[in-house]
Amino acid sequence: DGGITQSPKYLFRKEGQNVTLSCEQNLNHDAMYWYRQDPGQGLRLIYYSQIVNDFQKGDIAEGYSVSREKKESFPLTVTSAQKNPTAFYLCASRLAGTDSYEQYFGPGTRLTVT
Amino acid sequence: AQTVTQSQPEMSVQEAETVTLSCTYDTSESDYYLFWYKQPPSRQMILVIRQEAYKQQNATENRFSVNFQKAAKSFSLKISDSQLGDAAMYFCAYRSEGGAGSYQLTFGKGTKLSVIP
Repeated sequence: DGGITQSPKYLFRKEGQNVTLSCEQNLNHDAMYWYRQDPGQGLRLIYYSQIVNDFQKGDIAEGYSVSREKKESFPLTVTSAQKNPTAFYLCASRLAGTDSYEQYFGPGTRLTVT
Repeated sequence: AQTVTQSQPEMSVQEAETVTLSCTYDTSESDYYLFWYKQPPSRQMILVIRQEAYKQQNATENRFSVNFQKAAKSFSLKISDSQLGDAAMYFCAYRSEGGAGSYQLTFGKGTKLSVIP
């Protein structure tokens, strides 16, 4: 079955440690996105990538980094510079090159930093 | 930058009744897409309905329909014959073109819908 996987579902880290969240898709989608969701805040865009080896900052990129070495994968690293990293993180993808409108979302990763 | 406002943080509806969720947005663009996403307790985001700004006809998907008022920049979602499975967070979203056709989504803060049996 095609889809987007994010692992793990729950992730716990100590303050000061970097942590990498996984996002894999087998939909052959070109564009991939990372969003952060906080209570009462909706979804906010962290980074996005249109093609392999290229990505752009979203609205809240500070303290985060990404890579896009493969079309299927778009991992997000939450660095120790992120002041408030505890949140729910959602990955999404979209078929680019057409007027495709829908972003397909993964199941999300809940990150807790203490 | 575009903004999306959902003025109702929480709403409730009796099962089988109709409820309308409000959304307004601010943009200087003339061509765009609007969406309603549903996020149930599982937290999986599910597309409910979309509206192309150039279409005057309101979109409908089974029990879900929208009231799109372009001049007023309003995009409300009507859920008819509400079911227990409709209980979720609902997010309104605007699709902007963030350079090189990236089609970024801007989300509202959401409305939590409860369905009363």
